[in-house]
Amino acid sequence: QLQLQESGSGLVKPSQTLSLTCAVSGGSISSGGYSWSWIRQPPGKGLEWIGYIYHSGSTYYNPSLKSRVTISVDRSKNQFSLKLSSVTAADTAVYYCAREGEGLDFPFFDYWGQGTLVTVSS
Amino acid sequence: EIVLTQSPGTLSLSPGERATLSCRASQSVSSSYLAWYQQKPGQAPRLLIYGASSRATGIPDRFSGSGSGTDFTLTISRLEPEDFAVYYCQQYGSSLRVYTFGQGTKLEIK
Repeated sequence: QLQLQESGSGLVKPSQTLSLTCAVSGGSISSGGYSWSWIRQPPGKGLEWIGYIYHSGSTYYNPSLKSRVTISVDRSKNQFSLKLSSVTAADTAVYYCAREGEGLDFPFFDYWGQGTLVTVSS
Repeated sequence: EIVLTQSPGTLSLSPGERATLSCRASQSVSSSYLAWYQQKPGQAPRLLIYGASSRATGIPDRFSGSGSGTDFTLTISRLEPEDFAVYYCQQYGSSLRVYTFGQGTKLEIK
């Protein structure tokens, strides 16, 4: 059974960089056809897709966040990471990592991490 | 950018009743790339329906999806107590490789 687990700093100061990692177990992050996404949810609000990294290393980002987002992969550790720069209070949210199969023509999020709350505050 | 608008914002029903949730897109979307998710408090969303009408693994057959073009519907035929949650629709725009979600419909116990 595939499992995803987010980790990282739960408190980030304004203007600094948010950094999170998603560890994947029960399967290889290099499995062909799958992409690995970050999605966030501000408290009490809806879901916002941040971006994804394809198994090949290609990345695609939400245009509204593109200038501040970097997603990378560490295949040796079977994990992928998110960096979001110049954060403000508006970036306070639960951050989820998830798998989707865009390369398999299945662009839906079928496995999710439990989510981690990141608060931006001085 | 395609915007997904869900209605109603909140739906109050009793167990055993039928629920009909709507998702309307600002422009036509491929039904192949339309999904529905269920989210319970403190949990990650769970994929219910993909390709507008196909149930994900392990999803009970009381959940069904339909629609095409700009109008999509999630129907829960007979509500069970565990079905009260927030439901989101999601679409994938293959040309820009962008994912968007609706704002959600909260299904609450009447």
